[in-house]
Amino acid sequence: EIVLTQSPGTLSLSPGERATLSCRASQSVSSSYLVWYQQKPGQAPRLLIYGASSRATGIPDRFSGSGSGTDFTLTISRLEPEDFAVYYCQLYGSSPLLTFGGGTKVEIK
Amino acid sequence: EVQLVESGGGLVQPGGSLRLSCAASGFTVGSNYMSWVRQAPGKGLEWVSILYSGGSTYYADSVKGRFTISRDNSKNTLSLQMNTLGAEDTAVYYCAGAAIRSRFDYWGQGTLVTVSS
Repeated sequence: EIVLTQSPGTLSLSPGERATLSCRASQSVSSSYLVWYQQKPGQAPRLLIYGASSRATGIPDRFSGSGSGTDFTLTISRLEPEDFAVYYCQLYGSSPLLTFGGGTKVEIK
Repeated sequence: EVQLVESGGGLVQPGGSLRLSCAASGFTVGSNYMSWVRQAPGKGLEWVSILYSGGSTYYADSVKGRFTISRDNSKNTLSLQMNTLGAEDTAVYYCAGAAIRSRFDYWGQGTLVTVSS
């Protein structure tokens, strides 16, 4: 079973700062199936990044994804007020078929 | 515009059953990949089940044998039959749709299931 570990659990930053979120897989995975979502309180998740580095439709270019093997990163270059949320990585195709990381909360410092 | 609207949540006693539905518009349930994802109060996301466009179904170990995912192409809806519910099944249940099975572009607003006596 592949486990996705996200760190840090909480990231306290100010608007305008850079956010770097990590997602580590317990074994090497295909970057094609690594996805990132954003979730705001009381809302459904929103697809941000797929294939580890491709932005979904309508996602601003301040969001970028990178990584391969076991280590993946979501970077928000300059935090906007609307970016404070919880971010989840997700992997498809392992066991279980779909798995989510535990999430990273980006909060206002 | 794609819309997924869940319904059927509510309060159910331990050991009981509940059937969730997800009505889609602007998106064809039978031609895409559909999944249920849940989120316990204050917790992270947990994948529950997926139904492939070809009809194959898969479940998380935590619900295997108790939950059944299905679709009605004529009504363009997705369903989740949940049996033998326990407190650990208490969560908001989201319906999610994908043209590419590895990533979910579309999500409903969620429906809350509470299992309690």
